[in-house]
Amino acid sequence: QQQVKQSPQSLIVQKGGIPIINCAYENTAFDYFPWYQQFPGKGPALLIAIRPDVSEKKEGRFTISFNKSAKQFSLHIMDSQPGDSATYFCAASSGSGGGADGLTFGKGTHLIIQP
Amino acid sequence: DVKVTQSSRYLVKRTGEKVFLECVQDMDHENMFWYRQDPGLGLRLIYFSYDVKMKEKGDIPEGYSVSREKKERFSLILESASTNQTSMYLCASSLGRGLSGYTFGSGTRLTVV
Repeated sequence: QQQVKQSPQSLIVQKGGIPIINCAYENTAFDYFPWYQQFPGKGPALLIAIRPDVSEKKEGRFTISFNKSAKQFSLHIMDSQPGDSATYFCAASSGSGGGADGLTFGKGTHLIIQP
Repeated sequence: DVKVTQSSRYLVKRTGEKVFLECVQDMDHENMFWYRQDPGLGLRLIYFSYDVKMKEKGDIPEGYSVSREKKERFSLILESASTNQTSMYLCASSLGRGLSGYTFGSGTRLTVV
């Protein structure tokens, strides 16, 4: 059972465009939603994360939008650059209150920003 | 910066061999995790540990075991390697249970022939 569904699988955007990656989850106990960025040959690195008590979080050019009622969250990259080309993973966990599992990841989105 | 070091970048092992993948973190993190990454399947949790000598099964523990004798070290063991265990293995550590970011190692690409 896939608990976090991520789309699209791949995405090509022109430089300066705004790629949007979407994730949907099923487990209402999830309360921590991070995004990870992975470059070839490297492990994933935390990019930005959100808790369900806010609907949006911005860090630099990266923004997470969160819709608790729809159980969906998305990553937007403003003014995208070729250096943003990477694989992006959304994830979720039920970390608060103890008894948590590890992060459950989406299947990833391979993003290419064309010059 | 927290550093998570995986002992081998590439490994080639034969079917039936016992394989040890080692992971060390240097920031006194309580939690450590092993994931495998396969194209089109994303990252799947194999085992995790909240404390020394503690371990919990993840989503795909079959064919694997783990050992955490010291806080900084978390080992993944393939008791009898099989070709379907050919994959990229990623170790991660974190301070809190899912509330803080994970720091990943660079991965070990294991090929079982």
